[in-house]
Amino acid sequence: GQQLNQSPQSMFIQEGEDVSMNCTSSSIFNTWLWYKQDPGEGPVLLIALYKAGELTSNGRLTAQFGITRKDSFLNISASIPSDVGIYFCAGPRTNFGNEKLTFGTGTRLTIIP
Amino acid sequence: DSGVTQTPKHLITATGQRVTLRCSPRSGDLSVYWYQQSLDQGLQFLIQYYNGEERAKGNILERFSAQQFPDLHSELNLSSLELGDSALYFCASSSVRDRALGEQFFGPGTRLTVL
Repeated sequence: GQQLNQSPQSMFIQEGEDVSMNCTSSSIFNTWLWYKQDPGEGPVLLIALYKAGELTSNGRLTAQFGITRKDSFLNISASIPSDVGIYFCAGPRTNFGNEKLTFGTGTRLTIIP
Repeated sequence: DSGVTQTPKHLITATGQRVTLRCSPRSGDLSVYWYQQSLDQGLQFLIQYYNGEERAKGNILERFSAQQFPDLHSELNLSSLELGDSALYFCASSSVRDRALGEQFFGPGTRLTVL
């Protein structure tokens, strides 16, 4: 079935560092979503991308919709402790009213004191 | 706060039992989606309802069923529970506009533990 591969699987960084992660797919998506999940909580939508090549920012977060429509990138600048969590990319399938989300494997971000 | 509510927050039960998980979507949202998150499988789509009708099914087991009521809240029923059903179960909702864009908003989840 459809899979979204995220890399890296985990990151250990120091506060203040910039972070980059990406997500690749074997097929095309028309929308890319980035979610963050804190332990024991539900995923929270961070950024949505709708157009190939689009670059969108939300505060210190910047995401890009790849030109091929098969990948997306998320950057976090000047990381802070509350950035810790798992980041998921997701792509919706919008066919005939079926909009299931396929999620990536996740990137776990840890900040080293 | 996404506006999606789920109850209960935690559920502990024994193998063979049946449980019901409840979800209230954001005000006005007609679509409800259920997802399962386990350590080895990640976030997996189970089923979608739109205005009371089933719209799509994912890898949902036959022991699991769901429904969406006229007031738009949804329930996920899990029966003949097995140890492997232990997981986090999330509900998400979207509006007509959100559906067109693909955006879904998630509740806090129900953590199910089967002993």
